[in-house]
Amino acid sequence: SQKIEQNSEALNIQEGKTATLTCNYTNYSPAYLQWYRQDPGRGPVFLLLIRENEKEKRKERLKVTFDTTLKQSLFHITASQPADSATYLCALITGGFKTIFGAGTRLFVKA
Amino acid sequence: GAVVSQHPSWVICKSGTSVKIECRSLDFQATTMFWYRQFPKQSLMLMATSNEGSKATYEQGVEKDKFLINHASLTLSTLTVTSAHPEDSSFYICSAKTTNEKLFFGSGTQLSVL
Repeated sequence: SQKIEQNSEALNIQEGKTATLTCNYTNYSPAYLQWYRQDPGRGPVFLLLIRENEKEKRKERLKVTFDTTLKQSLFHITASQPADSATYLCALITGGFKTIFGAGTRLFVKA
Repeated sequence: GAVVSQHPSWVICKSGTSVKIECRSLDFQATTMFWYRQFPKQSLMLMATSNEGSKATYEQGVEKDKFLINHASLTLSTLTVTSAHPEDSSFYICSAKTTNEKLFFGSGTQLSVL
């Protein structure tokens, strides 16, 4: 069956360190993969999109990698700040632009 | 970035009543909008895909007669939860797709059915 897995356990890191979040998927062949941030009681906010033919994408302190062989994406936040604390969702975009979300990983950045 | 406005942000209703949620793309035209529901600490579950001027496409297990979707214009889609019951209480979120293949989300609607 098709599955998207993100670390269900919360990730706790110290301010200034790099946070790395993992997204693994099975039985999909996504055209794109996206990462979103979601704060409690709010809708997701788009962060980055990476296409199947791209290995890496960067935006300010954010970096995303996409390995279609391993069926894995890594999301990095460098020089993390307490304001980065949120839930981060991985989303696969399949044919017809149907978006399938992972359950998200909760990130806590301690000052 | 593009702005998607969703209203209301929260609603409390009695069991058996209907609730309408609006989703508007404020600064772009969206031929396709999506509706999701999310339970606490769970992922967003796609309910249906709404295409302007045509019938919505519902995901398996979603009752189309209960969750009525209308996408009458390029900037507005509505979700009506008919005859709501307590088990329909959830966080409902819409999103709209831009022409450059990005999704922008509304801020969500927390529905509580008493």
